[in-house]
Amino acid sequence: ETGVTQSPTHLIKTRGQQVTLRCSSQSGHNTVSWYQQALGQGPQFIFQYYREEENGRGNFPPRFSGLQFPNYSSELNVNALELDDSALYLCASNTFETIRETQYFGPGTRLLVL
Amino acid sequence: AQKVTQAQTEISVVEKEDVTLDCVYETRDTTYYLFWYKQPPSGELVFLIRRNSFDEQNEISGRYSWNFQKSTSSFNFTITASQVVDSAVYFCALIADQAGTALIFGKGTTLSVSS
Repeated sequence: ETGVTQSPTHLIKTRGQQVTLRCSSQSGHNTVSWYQQALGQGPQFIFQYYREEENGRGNFPPRFSGLQFPNYSSELNVNALELDDSALYLCASNTFETIRETQYFGPGTRLLVL
Repeated sequence: AQKVTQAQTEISVVEKEDVTLDCVYETRDTTYYLFWYKQPPSGELVFLIRRNSFDEQNEISGRYSWNFQKSTSSFNFTITASQVVDSAVYFCALIADQAGTALIFGKGTTLSVSS
């Protein structure tokens, strides 16, 4: 148990729709990172938020956007869903000062786009 | 550019066998951090170990051991006397200091341990 929770656990959407995924960080953590894991692949970095500001972004289009709230919980929003967006979405939290030591992952949200 | 390669896609062993999972990394940074994570079927990534680039000392934790060799850019993971509960996908990952704090993962190795 890492203390990081994600909701929902599973989600089915159709192409073109929009989706919001949520992550609740471990208490005291001010940094959250989001990763996309396609089937049979390793997780790929989407973006990171530190104290409510985006602090790094991977190679993902602008239709992937995020928010971090004052309580350090976070949302990942994906607009205009495509079939290739079907994946496990993982969030990870830590303090920025210790982020190179480890990151604590949530259980993920499995998104299926039909 | 930073990259992590796990050449073994799947490994199958019988309980009590030893197994080594290979990891080769690429980075031009002199300061970097290497990780191993375990992903059981539930999907959550479980942290196993972290090494920084200045510490090549090998580590043993119970049945797990890690061999870090900068000369070959490798960070291999050995499970001694494997058990069925070790069945999972194992990921090697890298944080290269100049590239920020994103984890760069390999594609993973699926380990199946049968009884």
